[in-house]
Amino acid sequence: GAGVSQSPSNKVTEKGKDVELRCDPISGHTALYWYRQSLGQGLEFLIYFQGNSAPDKSGLPSDRFSAERTGGSVSTLTIQRTQQEDSAVYLCASSLVGAEAFFGQGTRLTVV
Amino acid sequence: QQPVQSPQAVILREGEDAVINCSSSKALYSVHWYRQKHGEAPVFLMILLKGGEQKGHEKISASFNEKKQQSSLYLTASQLSYSGTYFCGTGWGNFNKFYFGSGTKLNVKP
Repeated sequence: GAGVSQSPSNKVTEKGKDVELRCDPISGHTALYWYRQSLGQGLEFLIYFQGNSAPDKSGLPSDRFSAERTGGSVSTLTIQRTQQEDSAVYLCASSLVGAEAFFGQGTRLTVV
Repeated sequence: QQPVQSPQAVILREGEDAVINCSSSKALYSVHWYRQKHGEAPVFLMILLKGGEQKGHEKISASFNEKKQQSSLYLTASQLSYSGTYFCGTGWGNFNKFYFGSGTKLNVKP
């Protein structure tokens, strides 16, 4: 596709369940970012990938969060044992290194 | 490490000007500016790579003072379509980390 694609667009899950969020970046973009945005708040950096490697995972809020990227393309953000405070919009962005970032429409996660 | 934006919110009348500031405690390699409308993803406005460089598009321009580790976004003769939340993003080194500020909410009224 022409843009960054995220799925699902909405996810409602029960507290304690695991969820997987997917990001399909723009073809050829080596840099991929995950951000979290709580209602009415700014963008919280979670993790950055350059190719398949994640040089910096320090933004992940807890060890319940993990992310991987395979083939230098699709990335998956996994949240284990979800908590209510995990409810937010999770945004993925991709770019050529140092260039403008293109954002997906996000996944709205609601933990009930 | 997150850049600091000011002000947090601005209310303008159509045609008025506004300035949004972004500052960092770390030496900057680049500054990006994005705008996010309610319920939508952030959209890229511009990137500044050199100290002191000023870029612009129509009535929105920005400056980057590398020495002061600051950037400012200038909105001239604001239009209703300028309403949204503006974020600055700062990166350095090999872009291992790219942080956004907390955002400035701009509301342009008729």
